[in-house]
Amino acid sequence: SQQGEEDPQALSIQEGENATMNCSYKTSINNLQWYRQNSGRGLVHLILIRSNEREKHSGRLRVTLDTSKKSSSLLITASRAADTASYFCATDAYEGSARQLTFGSGTQLTVLP
Amino acid sequence: DVKVTQSSRYLVKRTGEKVFLECVQDMDHENMFWYRQDPGLGLRLIYFSYDVKMKEKGDIPEGYSVSREKKERFSLILESASTNQTSMYLCASRSYYRMNTEAFFGQGTRLTVV
Repeated sequence: SQQGEEDPQALSIQEGENATMNCSYKTSINNLQWYRQNSGRGLVHLILIRSNEREKHSGRLRVTLDTSKKSSSLLITASRAADTASYFCATDAYEGSARQLTFGSGTQLTVLP
Repeated sequence: DVKVTQSSRYLVKRTGEKVFLECVQDMDHENMFWYRQDPGLGLRLIYFSYDVKMKEKGDIPEGYSVSREKKERFSLILESASTNQTSMYLCASRSYYRMNTEAFFGQGTRLTVV
């Protein structure tokens, strides 16, 4: 099965700085999604970008998608200590009898106050 | 407020026990999923279901089974728990027919097998 791979695995920045996380995947997709996970909790959906979109914004989040390179990036601007969490990309490809989301291994973001 | 609820946040079970992890969603979603999460490995799909009584294997089904008798409930069963099944288990649900939608996750169950 295809899988998104996030880069870097871990990122530590100061409050107020921007954080950029990258995701690469292997096969054609219908959309790509980003999720956030606070320590020991479930995942929460952040933003979805469709395969025919190149960029999308939501508050302090900016997502880009390059289907020719099979890659996406998540930018969090003006980071806050509360942004400390793990971030996962998930690819959505309509396959077979169900529509699965395939997750990468995540980026652990630490925002230092 | 939409919800996916897992029956336990923390569980400690003994090797060889039969373990049931329950998940309930209130969004009338067709698709439900069980993932396992381990450090450095991300989320790995164990089983999923797209309808009542329907189930399909994910990437790591060995040692697990599932049950979906009602649309809102999806159960993960460890037939004979082993220490290598110590992990965080995440349930999720999602609409099958609505395109380009997100998944909703439960809060997770951290299972320790001793």
